[in-house]
Amino acid sequence: QSALTQPPSVSGSPGQSVTISCTGTSSDIGNYNHVSWYQQTPGTAPKFIIYEVFNRPSGVPDRFSGSKSGNTASLTISGLQPEDDADYYCSSHTSTNTWVFGGGTKLTVL
Amino acid sequence: EVHLVESGGGLVKPGGSLRLSCTASEFAFSSYTQAWFRQAPGKGLEWVSSISGRSDYMFYADSVRGRFTISRDNAKKSLYLQLNSLRPEDTAVYYCATEYCSGDRCTTAFDPWGQGTLVTVSS
Repeated sequence: QSALTQPPSVSGSPGQSVTISCTGTSSDIGNYNHVSWYQQTPGTAPKFIIYEVFNRPSGVPDRFSGSKSGNTASLTISGLQPEDDADYYCSSHTSTNTWVFGGGTKLTVL
Repeated sequence: EVHLVESGGGLVKPGGSLRLSCTASEFAFSSYTQAWFRQAPGKGLEWVSSISGRSDYMFYADSVRGRFTISRDNAKKSLYLQLNSLRPEDTAVYYCATEYCSGDRCTTAFDPWGQGTLVTVSS
């Protein structure tokens, strides 16, 4: 159950776009569209923002978008807003019916 | 709106045991896969265990298999996690969560999540 790989941190100014990558293997991201993304601010539970690679649940702004290429999934946040300052985690269901997470990416809105 | 509330966390010595509970508000609890996750202080999220709606299938992370046991009582809309042989590295906030379903289709994502309960393993 190896963790997915995310960059520790990214940053951007309000109005800009940032992309967070998430690299796995053929046992998770590469062969399944079961990638989810979660947003977490300090002291709170994770908030679900993307499922099945690119789908947004109701209530999540369309500034958040997901994609996948090979073993790497990506979360793009366009038109950055101060409230986007948070930790972001990718997750994937795997071929062995487990779930793996990335180590998390701290997004700083400058 | 669905709410999940965890309880049962606390301070325990290495080798000790705890039982965590997660109670759901009114929704079709028995229809959904439930899971436990954890987050060590200052660290990332980790999936711990999951259980299908009728308890047909239970899965565990390698780090807890053989020590933790997941279970549920659908009549009580409750999910449980029995933690045995606890180690200092099990110290974390433990969250319960429900599989996310959109209409009639369920996914491998989880929403909602509870607020978490802190387990501290220390002598």
